[in-house]
Amino acid sequence: KQEVTQIPAALSVPEGENLVLNCSFTDSAIYNLQWFRQDPGKGLTSLLLIQSSQREQTSGRLNASLDKSSGRSTLYIAASQPGDSATYLCAVSPEGDMRFGAGTRLTVKP
Amino acid sequence: EAQVTQNPRYLITVTGKKLTVTCSQNMNHEYMSWYRQDPGLGLRQIYYSMNVEVTDKGDVPEGYKVSRKEKRNFPLILESPSPNQTSLYFCASSFWTGNFSPLHFGNGTRLTVT
Repeated sequence: KQEVTQIPAALSVPEGENLVLNCSFTDSAIYNLQWFRQDPGKGLTSLLLIQSSQREQTSGRLNASLDKSSGRSTLYIAASQPGDSATYLCAVSPEGDMRFGAGTRLTVKP
Repeated sequence: EAQVTQNPRYLITVTGKKLTVTCSQNMNHEYMSWYRQDPGLGLRQIYYSMNVEVTDKGDVPEGYKVSRKEKRNFPLILESPSPNQTSLYFCASSFWTGNFSPLHFGNGTRLTVT
């Protein structure tokens, strides 16, 4: 059974810092890995999707990498801003069944 | 506007009274799925559908039913709700063409069963 783990559970940084969120999964047989952002009381918004054949994806200040062989993904956020404060979740899809990590709650202090 | 629409946003009901939470998407997505989110347990998949008339169990399907008669709609049915089904529910959809596209989520349905 696929298990997805995110470390750390919570992170607080001053504005302007670069930071890395980690996601690990136990089974490398995945179609893709997605990173999402969730604001309190809201639905999830997809940030980046990495297909199994890809190594990384970039969008603006965000960069996500995927290493299937080691079962790891990282989300790099450059020059963090208070508006980046949210919970970040990763999810892997072996097929149609999606497995989510518990998330990292990020606080960026002005 | 491309969106996934869930209704209702909030629902309070009593044990045993059948209810349906609707989910509709306007993006012609093949794949649709339902999740529940609970504190300390994260987001868990209930059911998913790869296309019309095709549904499969996720991680926590017990006590739930789904149907996919049309491409745009994927209702979640609780035949006899119980208090342990009190949760925040999300519907999501994406394209499926051998690879998934980014998953689009609805705004959630907060269900309370007393």
